[in-house]
Amino acid sequence: NAGVTQTPKFRVLKTGQSMTLLCAQDMNHEYMYWYRQDPGMGLRLIHYSVGEGTTAKGEVPDGYNVSRLKKQNFLLGLESAAPSQTSVYFCASSYLQGWSYEQYFGPGTRLTVT
Amino acid sequence: RKEVEQDPGPFNVPEGATVAFNCTYSNSASQSFFWYRQDCRKEPKLLMSVYSSGNEDGRFTAQLNRASQYISLLIRDSKLSDSATYLCVVPHEKNTGFQKLVFGTGTRLLVSP
Repeated sequence: NAGVTQTPKFRVLKTGQSMTLLCAQDMNHEYMYWYRQDPGMGLRLIHYSVGEGTTAKGEVPDGYNVSRLKKQNFLLGLESAAPSQTSVYFCASSYLQGWSYEQYFGPGTRLTVT
Repeated sequence: RKEVEQDPGPFNVPEGATVAFNCTYSNSASQSFFWYRQDCRKEPKLLMSVYSSGNEDGRFTAQLNRASQYISLLIRDSKLSDSATYLCVVPHEKNTGFQKLVFGTGTRLLVSP
């Protein structure tokens, strides 16, 4: 099992460019999440999905869109990148959501917007 | 008050030492808690879950104090490989029924020879 994988690992964008981050999991998990991690701040939830074809906003959704067309994939899109979106992005998945269900994280994507 | 607060450290300890971190949380309704470990430039990984008063796993002990709303992580006989950032994580149930995880900013531990 590869677990949770993310592509790309690194990316540099210019302001205004667009890109899509891909997350894939092979654990048949229902729930998937996108977080961003910035220095001095905890991981913050951008968007999440409770199943194939469904998505919902997290704490910091502005400037991002997501899609979950297949159960194993969760895509994060930046339509017009801004320097404030420079961050490390982590995708995670869990079998269900609740008090006892562990979230498994991908290795992260380091994005710099100049 | 922040939802989850941790001392950022770093905590510098020699090998073999015992070290403890505290984490305070604001949501008194939270029922369970987690400690995740994050190595430098890596993803977070679950270290321990805490459901009742505490949990022990080898050299690691997590304790919960609901009255004071804090959880602690105790590491005995520190190893060099314990050097990492430890994230305190508290589930928070939204009015939609979705339970998001609220992550602390982490406490950095450096274990030296």
